[in-house]
Amino acid sequence: DAGVTQSPTHLIKTRGQQVTLRCSPKSGHDTVSWYQQALGQGPQFIFQYYEEEERQRGNFPDRFSGHQYPNYSSELNVNALLLGDSALYLCASSITGMGSYEQYFGPGTRLTVT
Amino acid sequence: AQSVSQHNHHVILSEAASLELGCNYSYGGTVNLFWYVQYPGQHLQLLLKYFSGDPLVKGIKGFEAEFIKSKFSFNLRKPSVQWSDTAEYFCAVTASDSNYQLIWGAGTKLIIKP
Repeated sequence: DAGVTQSPTHLIKTRGQQVTLRCSPKSGHDTVSWYQQALGQGPQFIFQYYEEEERQRGNFPDRFSGHQYPNYSSELNVNALLLGDSALYLCASSITGMGSYEQYFGPGTRLTVT
Repeated sequence: AQSVSQHNHHVILSEAASLELGCNYSYGGTVNLFWYVQYPGQHLQLLLKYFSGDPLVKGIKGFEAEFIKSKFSFNLRKPSVQWSDTAEYFCAVTASDSNYQLIWGAGTKLIIKP
């Protein structure tokens, strides 16, 4: 049973560029949440997708957008990258309606903006 | 402001010592409480959770945590730590006050000396 997978593992971008990160949820899970984890801090909630729609959003600007596909996989897009966007981006999957607060995490994508 | 606080950012213990990591939250309403662990080079994984019922919850690997509602606390304990417990530990909370978004503490890095 595959767990949550994320790609790429590492990414280096230049300020002002755009980036797309990808996530495949654990088998049987229908909900995907994205988090940003800066060095030395806990994860910060970006948004959550369910039934191909953004269901909740944290305190992140519109430069951060996402998508969920019919197979439940998800993308996180960040436009106009800033140096401060450098972080580990975590994807977590869960099942809505069955204690959706229990989330399973992927290994993360380390984004470096130069 | 609503938040999750972990009191110690770094803890160093010898093997067989007892462990207690503090976690306090400032949300009202119904809360769900979690401790996650991240071993070196691995994904975040759930250690234990509290939704309702017995405020003393037991998790994997001999860990337990006690929910004290009057103190807004959910401290993590282990009677005798092992070198393999070296990891980063995160407390996280969902609350009806915050639309059940998963809000994280900053984490505690635990180092066990052999």
